[in-house]
Amino acid sequence: DGGITQSPKYLFRKEGQNVTLSCEQNLNHDAMYWYRQDPGQGLRLIYYSQIVNDFQKGDIAEGYSVSREKKESFPLTVTSAQKNPTAFYLCASSIDGYYEQYFGPGTRLTVT
Amino acid sequence: GESVGLHLPTLSVQEGDNSIINCAYSNSASDYFIWYKQESGKGPQFIIDIRSNMDKRQGQRVTVLLNKTVKHLSLQIAATQPGDSAVYFCAENSYSSASKIIFGSGTRLSIRP
Repeated sequence: DGGITQSPKYLFRKEGQNVTLSCEQNLNHDAMYWYRQDPGQGLRLIYYSQIVNDFQKGDIAEGYSVSREKKESFPLTVTSAQKNPTAFYLCASSIDGYYEQYFGPGTRLTVT
Repeated sequence: GESVGLHLPTLSVQEGDNSIINCAYSNSASDYFIWYKQESGKGPQFIIDIRSNMDKRQGQRVTVLLNKTVKHLSLQIAATQPGDSAVYFCAENSYSSASKIIFGSGTRLSIRP
């Protein structure tokens, strides 16, 4: 089955700890994205990558970091500098960044 | 700034009736539009898309209408079912946007039995 996976589904961390969210796709898509979604809200772009070894900041990149060492993987690290990290995080991919994005199931991060 | 928005944040529809979800966009350079459905606790799911060279596109029980004159996009769902309950997002993109799809804020569709 082709698709995009995120793990884990639920993640709990103590304040002050960095945490890395996994995102993997086997769709052979060039572009990958990370979004944050708060309850009852829309999607806000954190980072995106159009090609391996290259990525750009989105609208709310502060306190987050990413890497794109492989085409199929785009992990997101939520650092201790992120002031309000508790949220639902969604990863997506697109064949070339123009056409529709395919979303993963999301990771719900809770920081206490 | 340029953005995609929705007229109604929530929509309540009787089961079996047709639903119409609206979306306004302001970027005249946008040439590709997408509708997504997001069920509670899940990632958004692609429903249907439309290019700017089209006015209408139909899928299974869904129709997207594009009015470029007034920069308006709508999603029509025929014979709404309980499984249609979700949040619906519109999105726009263009080749000049550096591959950053812009998402609307979403409309919650609830179905009355």
